[in-house]
Formats: sequence, C-alpha cells, structure tokens
Amino acid sequence: SQQGEEDPQALSIQEGENATMNCSYKTSINNLQWYRQNSGRGLVHLILIRSNEREKHSGRLRVTLDTSKKSSSLLITASRAADTASYFCATDVDSGYALNFGKGTSLLVTP
Amino acid sequence: DTGVSQNPRHKITKRGQNVTFRCDPISEHNRLYWYRQTLGQGPEFLTYFQNEAQLEKSRLLSDRFSAERPKGSFSTLEIQRTEQGDSAMYLCASSFPTGEQYFGPGTRLTVT
Repeated sequence: SQQGEEDPQALSIQEGENATMNCSYKTSINNLQWYRQNSGRGLVHLILIRSNEREKHSGRLRVTLDTSKKSSSLLITASRAADTASYFCATDVDSGYALNFGKGTSLLVTP
Repeated sequence: DTGVSQNPRHKITKRGQNVTFRCDPISEHNRLYWYRQTLGQGPEFLTYFQNEAQLEKSRLLSDRFSAERPKGSFSTLEIQRTEQGDSAMYLCASSFPTGEQYFGPGTRLTVT
C-alpha cells in the first residue's frame, strides 16, 4: 500500500511562479525523499531529508519536514517549463529498505 | 554512463507467455530494488536484494514472479504465465545501504 499522499494531484502554473507540493504520510520514518518523473520515463532523485532535519535546500528546491504532523512540502522557486513532470514523495521506513511512494503531483509549467 | 540500465525498454507479450527483464545497477551499489508502476500511480515495491541475497518480497509478488541476483551484480525479474493485469512499468533501482535510490528507465510491459 502507498503511504505517502501528495496534494494537490495536479498543479498548473506559469513560468517564473513558485510551485508548492505537499506530502502527508502515516507512520514514523527514517527519511523522506522527493523524486521527479518526466512523462513515461524513470524517476530522478531530487532531495532527501532525514527525520531529524526540518528544512533542506538544493538549488531552486526547498523541502520542509514536520514529523509531528507527518507532512513534508516541496517548493520549486522560479519554475521553468522544463520543471513540467510528476513529483513523488517517498518515505523510507526501515532505513534503506523499500520506499513507499505516493500517487504524485502532476505539475504543468506553461511559458 | 554509470547509471542503472534496464533491458528491454519495451516488451509486448501475449497472455500466458513468460517474460524476463534485466537490470544492471550502479556497480558500487550493493542494494537492488524492483518496483512496479501503473498509470497514474506511484511505484510500488516488489522486492529487494542486498548483494545476492533476496531479503524481502512484497505481497504483490505472486508466485508467478521470481527475481534473482546471481553474484550480487545484475538482476533478472521473470514473470511466468503473464496476465493482462501484469501490464505496467517495471522499475529497477540501486543504492548504498542508507542512501537515496537511483532508478533505471524502466521496462514497459504490455500483455495482450
């Protein structure tokens, strides 16, 4: 079963705007990871945040983690058309074991 | 390129046939994972290996599915007596024990 739940399911914005996606999960985790998937292709790892971290940055990406609320958010700043993709959060429950993915947020960035 | 590779990229088969997919992980990684992804869903875990040992299998992995990782390098996933419900993208990933997982491009299986 899928533990993560992304919100919204779909998001449409214009280039230059920021995009925020949220993820909620159910059980305690070791870490939470965000992945991007372009249409019909494999997943690309974006960022990993450990359970003892609250915020992490990577380029135009900012991830927050609130373990008390069992939620995470991914912010993409100054979005580009190339950011159009599906974004998945995945929780690592058993430290390097299986990842539990959500259903993803489909992001469309229009020029 | 030292990423995860999967072959074939696409496979069309008739119901009842057997199919086998191959995954070549990043060479330094000792963990290898198989996932299945259907349209509109996130990947679902099937099984994983640490070196050559298969350590966990999901309930999704029926007895028609078998995975191997001889010598702890490449892995194969075989589906026997395929059913239309097996149509999906099969993804392979590899990692160090506590690191992020790197995914291959996947094998898209269509069962007609």
